[in-house]
Amino acid sequence: DAGITQSPRHKVTETGTPVTLRCHQTENHRYMYWYRQDPGHGLRLIHYSYGVKDTDKGEVSDGYSVSRSKTEDFLLTLESATSSQTSVYFCATHGPLSGNTIYFGEGSWLTVV
Amino acid sequence: GQQVMQIPQYQHVQEGEDFTTYCNSSTTLSNIQWYKQRPGGHPVFLIQLVKSGEVKKQKRLTFQFGEAKKNSSLHITATQTTDVGTYFCAGPHGSGNTGKLIFGQGTTLQVKP
Repeated sequence: DAGITQSPRHKVTETGTPVTLRCHQTENHRYMYWYRQDPGHGLRLIHYSYGVKDTDKGEVSDGYSVSRSKTEDFLLTLESATSSQTSVYFCATHGPLSGNTIYFGEGSWLTVV
Repeated sequence: GQQVMQIPQYQHVQEGEDFTTYCNSSTTLSNIQWYKQRPGGHPVFLIQLVKSGEVKKQKRLTFQFGEAKKNSSLHITATQTTDVGTYFCAGPHGSGNTGKLIFGQGTTLQVKP
């Protein structure tokens, strides 16, 4: 597995508070992604990045923003957390030598109460 | 928009029985990938199929890519308790080698010992 670290791994937060999840990779992969996983929906792409300061929206981007100031770090921010954002969040990366395969981090479990 | 559908959503089998999950795409895919996620874990790449009609085997797992490159299947022969988990198929989202994937909803396999 690629060296992908997500933090925090578990978090409980209150509705209306901002939350930032961090993804750190040591593979120097150009592409990074944030997915959320919910029962019955599989993995849905929130935002992705093609490189430093180069990001774009995925299919479920409302209520989320991202930043990538360094190749190794990709931050996901919930600007004002809602209960519908309770989910498991996975960061993933993709590099030139990985073919079409993407590598996932271990996930961040977020509960919004 | 582009969709990848996977059935069944859940499957309970007795250890030793066979298992199959099916994946259908709304568009022709350049390749299809399969991932396995153990309970509480993160998705891990299993295999990629590229050619029309391709069949690949990994021990008791057999993967097929349809002739029209719009469907795929994963068959497990003689399931074991170690096969428990959720199996996802995924295809490239749009064109280009960006690593963006669209996932099926997954099939969760439970195996009774």
